[in-house]
Amino acid sequence: DAKTTQPTSMDCAEGRAANLPCNHSTISGNEYVYWYRQIHSQGPQYIIHGLKNNETNEMASLIITEDRKSSTLILPHATLRDTAVYYCIVRGLYSSASKIIFGSGTRLSIRP
Amino acid sequence: ETGVTQSPTHLIKTRGQQVTLRCSSQSGHNTVSWYQQALGQGPQFIFQYYREEENGRGNFPPRFSGLQFPNYSSELNVNALELDDSALYLCASKSGTPLEGTQYFGPGTRLTVL
Repeated sequence: DAKTTQPTSMDCAEGRAANLPCNHSTISGNEYVYWYRQIHSQGPQYIIHGLKNNETNEMASLIITEDRKSSTLILPHATLRDTAVYYCIVRGLYSSASKIIFGSGTRLSIRP
Repeated sequence: ETGVTQSPTHLIKTRGQQVTLRCSSQSGHNTVSWYQQALGQGPQFIFQYYREEENGRGNFPPRFSGLQFPNYSSELNVNALELDDSALYLCASKSGTPLEGTQYFGPGTRLTVL
């Protein structure tokens, strides 16, 4: 599975859109981009995933560049409850077992 | 809430002891994976169970073992506990074959080894 690079930390004002970038320049054609987040001392929470096209669900939007070498997770109206560590993960459709390789993630702080 | 439950929530053991952690997967999920998360780090894959057999393992010694039961629930057993085993242990479940699908995590068990 390809590696990802994320900023260590970011902050965003409450009510504004939070845009979390992720670089995955070695991604291959059958690898998906997944996003999870982890609120302090809780289990990781699945947010969204995509292959090529942009995706949107009730939690967030995922924008993947045309060359698929980077992506952005967008939380449209950040709230204090969105404060968490956000993990960007690249995982092949046919990866060995179904293990997720977590990096260090981005610590997102939402300020009032 | 993902429907994945873990017990106990917290546990304190001493070095050399053995521990068993339990996980009930989300309804309809047949694959369970276990992860270890040390303080300040991302979760690390321990192993995965599918159809009651181990199907993939991370870089963990044999004293980490597991079981999956016919109802797809699972146990993680750790023998000869070491101080470095202190961590949050996470269980994740999914449906489908082992290679596909989205994993959903439980709340974790916090293990402290003294």
